[in-house]
Amino acid sequence: DGGITQSPKYLFRKEGQNVTLSCEQNLNHDAMYWYRQDPGQGLRLIYYSQIVNDFQKGDIAEGYSVSREKKESFPLTVTSAQKNPTAFYLCASSINTGRAGANVLTFGAGSRLTVL
Amino acid sequence: AQTVTQSQPEMSVQEAETVTLSCTYDTSESNYYLFWYKQPPSRQMILVIRQEAYKQQNATENRFSVNFQKAAKSFSLKISDSQLGDTAMYFCAFLSHNTDKLIFGTGTRLQVFP
Repeated sequence: DGGITQSPKYLFRKEGQNVTLSCEQNLNHDAMYWYRQDPGQGLRLIYYSQIVNDFQKGDIAEGYSVSREKKESFPLTVTSAQKNPTAFYLCASSINTGRAGANVLTFGAGSRLTVL
Repeated sequence: AQTVTQSQPEMSVQEAETVTLSCTYDTSESNYYLFWYKQPPSRQMILVIRQEAYKQQNATENRFSVNFQKAAKSFSLKISDSQLGDTAMYFCAFLSHNTDKLIFGTGTRLQVFP
């Protein structure tokens, strides 16, 4: 079945450590996205990528980094510079048809990061 | 900047009844897209329904329909014949025709009671 796989589902990190969240899709989608979800704040865009080897900052990119070396993969690194990293992280992808709005997002199941 | 507002943090409805979730948005653009996403307890986000701003006809997907009022910048979701499986967080979202950045509201938690 085609879909998006996020791993790990739960992750614990000590303060000062970097951690990488994996996101893999087999939908042949061009565009991929990372969102952060906090209680009462909805989803906020961290980074997105429309094509391999290219990505753009979203609304809350500080303290995060990404790479897009392969079409299928868009890992997110939460660095020690992120001051409040405990959150639920959602990865999504979409076909980039070149017409916005046709790009309905497909989401992964999410990763819960807790900083101890 | 575009904003999306969901003024109802929590709603409840009895099974088989109808419930309406509110959403308003702010934009200066005339061409855009609006979405309702559902996030059940599993936390998997699922698209419920989509509306294109240039289409006057309200979108419908089975028991789910929207009331799109472009002038009022309102995009409410009506769930008919509510089922226990409709229990979830519901997010309204806005997408500009010019960007690929989806902007979400803060969500409404819907509880369906037997």
